[in-house]
Amino acid sequence: DQQVKQNSPSLSVQEGRISILNCDYTNSMFDYFLWYKKYPAEGPTFLISISSIKDKNEDGRFTVFLNKSAKHLSLHIVPSQPGDSAVYFCAASGTSYDKVIFGPGTSLSVIP
Amino acid sequence: DAGITQSPRYKITETGRQVTLMCHQTWSHSYMFWYRQDLGHGLRLIYYSAAADITDKGEVPDGYVVSRSKTENFPLTLESATRSQTSVYFCASSETGERYYNEQFFGPGTRLTVL
Repeated sequence: DQQVKQNSPSLSVQEGRISILNCDYTNSMFDYFLWYKKYPAEGPTFLISISSIKDKNEDGRFTVFLNKSAKHLSLHIVPSQPGDSAVYFCAASGTSYDKVIFGPGTSLSVIP
Repeated sequence: DAGITQSPRYKITETGRQVTLMCHQTWSHSYMFWYRQDLGHGLRLIYYSAAADITDKGEVPDGYVVSRSKTENFPLTLESATRSQTSVYFCASSETGERYYNEQFFGPGTRLTVL
């Protein structure tokens, strides 16, 4: 059973609009969350993270929101650009864990 | 070059053959990881290593063997390849320390096809 879920396999957004990628988790021991971005034929690259002591973290056009009570986080990209077209993986970890658990990914297409 | 590299980038093999995928990092990161990426599953951890000579199983270790005699290298061996092991394999590394530990740096991947 997947501990980290990304229920939208794909998302299509117009350039300049907001992209919202969602992620849900089931393990209440997770307290550190990350987003990775992956282009075709490349390895994933770290994008942004958030600790459970925060409910928001911002880095330029990228903002991650965390709702611990709902076990839900989201990644907002504003404004979306064609270069943002990629697969986005949500990942989670706990301080007692050695491992990071990845979700199945959401493929974002930003249409010019 | 600095960073994390994987070889080969593409490999075709036959069922029952032994295959070794190589991973090399130049950062002296303590932690190294092997993942496989399959459609609908995202990245699943096969094995990881916290330091040289320390390895542990991940979520899907069956059919795979790892070793880590040197900090910079973390080879993954499929002892007798099966078609279900057709996948894209990613190696990753991260520093020690709670925060940096979780931010992993990935190699470019190896696409393995088992016929």
